[in-house]
Amino acid sequence: EIVLTQSPATLSLSPGQRATLSCRASQSVSSYLAWYQQKPGQAPRLLIYDASNRAAGIPARFSGSGSGTDFTLTISSLEPEDFAVYYCQQRSNWPPMYTFGQGTKLEIK
Amino acid sequence: EVHLVESGGGLVQPGGSLRLSCAASGFTFSSYWMTWVRQAPGKGLEWVANIKQDGSEIYYVDSVKGRFTISRDNARNSLYLQMNSLRAEDTAVYYCARPAGVGHLVYFFDCWGQGTLVTVSS
Repeated sequence: EIVLTQSPATLSLSPGQRATLSCRASQSVSSYLAWYQQKPGQAPRLLIYDASNRAAGIPARFSGSGSGTDFTLTISSLEPEDFAVYYCQQRSNWPPMYTFGQGTKLEIK
Repeated sequence: EVHLVESGGGLVQPGGSLRLSCAASGFTFSSYWMTWVRQAPGKGLEWVANIKQDGSEIYYVDSVKGRFTISRDNARNSLYLQMNSLRAEDTAVYYCARPAGVGHLVYFFDCWGQGTLVTVSS
C-alpha cells in the first residue's frame, strides 16, 4: 500500500504570500498524483491532476510539480479564498485502491 | 450540469445498518466507475469503495470489507452503499464521487456530492 505524507500539517501565511505544500509518496507513483482543496462544510474540489495539470476553472496561481515520490503544490500569491485544507491523492495500479494524504491546513497568519 | 446528491445518512446504533444512496444527473452514469469516500469529523479523506460501470468489479478498503456493500442501478442513475454492523469509527460524512473520465486508469475525481452524515452512537 502506498502511503502519502503531506507537510507541513499546518501552514500559516498572509494573503499575497507564496504557499508551498509538499506530498511525499512511500513509493513511486510516476506522475499519477492529484491535489484537492476543501473548505469547511464543502466537498473537495479538484485542483491538479497528473501532478501538474490544472483542472478546469482553476486559477493560474495554482501549480503542481514533481514526479516519482516527491510532489509540490504551489500557490503563487495567496488570495483570501485560498485558505483551506489541501489533500494529495493517488491510486494503486491493481487493485484500484485510492489513498489520500492526511492534509495540509493553510491558515491565515 | 453534472450533479451528485447523496441521501440516507442519519443516527444509527452500533451494530445497526444504513443504506446510502447517490443520485446522479447530467452525465452518462453507466459509463463511469463510481466511488464512495468518507471523512470522519475533523479528519482527512478516506476512500471506502468503488464499482465498475457494469458492477463486475468492486473494491473496498480493508476496514469495511465484509460489512459494506457497494452497488449501482444504471437504469436509475443511482449508486448505493449498504452499511451493516456499523461501528463508532464509521461515523463520517460519506461522499459519492465520479472520476474525471470513463477509463479505468482515470484515478482522480472531478465531481463530488455534498455528502451525507452517518453517526454511529448509542
